[in-house]
Amino acid sequence: AAGVIQSPRHLIKEKRETATLKCYPIPRHDTVYWYQQGPGQDPQFLISFYEKMQSDKGSIPDRFSAQQFSDYHSELNMSSLELGDSALYFCASSLEQPAGNEQFFGPGTRLTVL
Amino acid sequence: DQQVKQNSPSLSVQEGRISILNCDYTNSMFDYFLWYKKYPAEGPTFLISISSIKDKNEDGRFTVFLNKSAKHLSLHIVPSQPGDSAVYFCAATVDSGNTPLVFGKGTRLSVIA
Repeated sequence: AAGVIQSPRHLIKEKRETATLKCYPIPRHDTVYWYQQGPGQDPQFLISFYEKMQSDKGSIPDRFSAQQFSDYHSELNMSSLELGDSALYFCASSLEQPAGNEQFFGPGTRLTVL
Repeated sequence: DQQVKQNSPSLSVQEGRISILNCDYTNSMFDYFLWYKKYPAEGPTFLISISSIKDKNEDGRFTVFLNKSAKHLSLHIVPSQPGDSAVYFCAATVDSGNTPLVFGKGTRLSVIA
């Protein structure tokens, strides 16, 4: 079965650079979520989109923005990167209905900021 | 403040025995709970879930128990297998369809052959 696809899998950037992470949800899933997992931490919710509209917003810094496109893929744009942005970034997708909230996660993008 | 707590960072169990992973939550609005398993270099994989209208849900070797009054849930794996060795995350949400998950910090399970 098709899973959530994330690209790139690994990304190395310098401080103050920008980065774009991409997520392709499971076909027919209408909701996309972004989570950030720091070293030894739990995944923290950043932002989500339902039917291309922002649905919920978590602890996403103002330097980050995201959007969901007409084909339901999503991109997380990160600017003015800081050392503390080094983390695993997971994208997940789900169906809004029936309510049950099983979110299916991609393999993650490991971002390293030097 | 951590709304979902997994107080055991690690657990070692002999193959064939039962693994019990515990999770506590503080937010009484949570009404849907999930367990995810995570291997290194992979994303979390959905394992099993339970709605607050139930106190038990079983799927093969995996059973989740929910005690709403204690705000506590547990995942039982029996019999445990070496392939079960992974980090297990407890997650909670409000079951309104597409709400974000709140995760615990995870418990690393090691099943020893």
